[in-house]
Amino acid sequence: KQEVTQIPAALSVPEGENLVLNCSFTDSAIYNLQWFRQDPGKGLTSLLLIQSSQREQTSGRLNASLDKSSGRSTLYIAASQPGDSATYLCAVTPDSNYQLIWGAGTKLIIKP
Amino acid sequence: GAVVSQHPSWVICKSGTSVKIECRSLDFQATTMFWYRQFPKQSLMLMATSNEGSKATYEQGVEKDKFLINHASLTLSTLTVTSAHPEDSSFYICSARGGGLAGSSYEQYFGPGTRLTVT
Repeated sequence: KQEVTQIPAALSVPEGENLVLNCSFTDSAIYNLQWFRQDPGKGLTSLLLIQSSQREQTSGRLNASLDKSSGRSTLYIAASQPGDSATYLCAVTPDSNYQLIWGAGTKLIIKP
Repeated sequence: GAVVSQHPSWVICKSGTSVKIECRSLDFQATTMFWYRQFPKQSLMLMATSNEGSKATYEQGVEKDKFLINHASLTLSTLTVTSAHPEDSSFYICSARGGGLAGSSYEQYFGPGTRLTVT
């Protein structure tokens, strides 16, 4: 059974720092992995999607990597800003059902 | 990009009444739609998967007679919470998956969510 774990559960850093959020999954047989952002009381915003054949994806200050063999993904945020404060969720698509298996999220606070 | 809308965004209802939440894919055909529920400070939990024209598949522990899902067209799915109770108060999010204009057929596009409060 696929399980997704995110570490740390919460993170607070000063503005301007580079930071890394971690996501691990137990079964390397995945179709893709996605990183999402969720602001309090709001829906989800998809940040990056990495297909199983890809190693990384970049969007602006965000870079997500995928190492299927070790069951790990990282989300790197460069030059963090207070507006980056949110909960970051990773999810894997394990099979053809396309259902997502979610991590519990990392709550990120960027202090001005 | 692909857009998914939900209506209403926020609803308050009295205990015992029913509430319908709509999920629409605005610029693509969604062959599959998913309904999630999220309690405060917890991750999303999949409630059910619906394919257009078929009965929804519910996750274990989700009462199908209480949470009625209808996926009548390729752009609309509805979730009806019947005889709502305060413990049903939650944030409900739908997502839609489709190929073609939406890009990868494995990617889900999420609605903004509906906050339900049952008093």
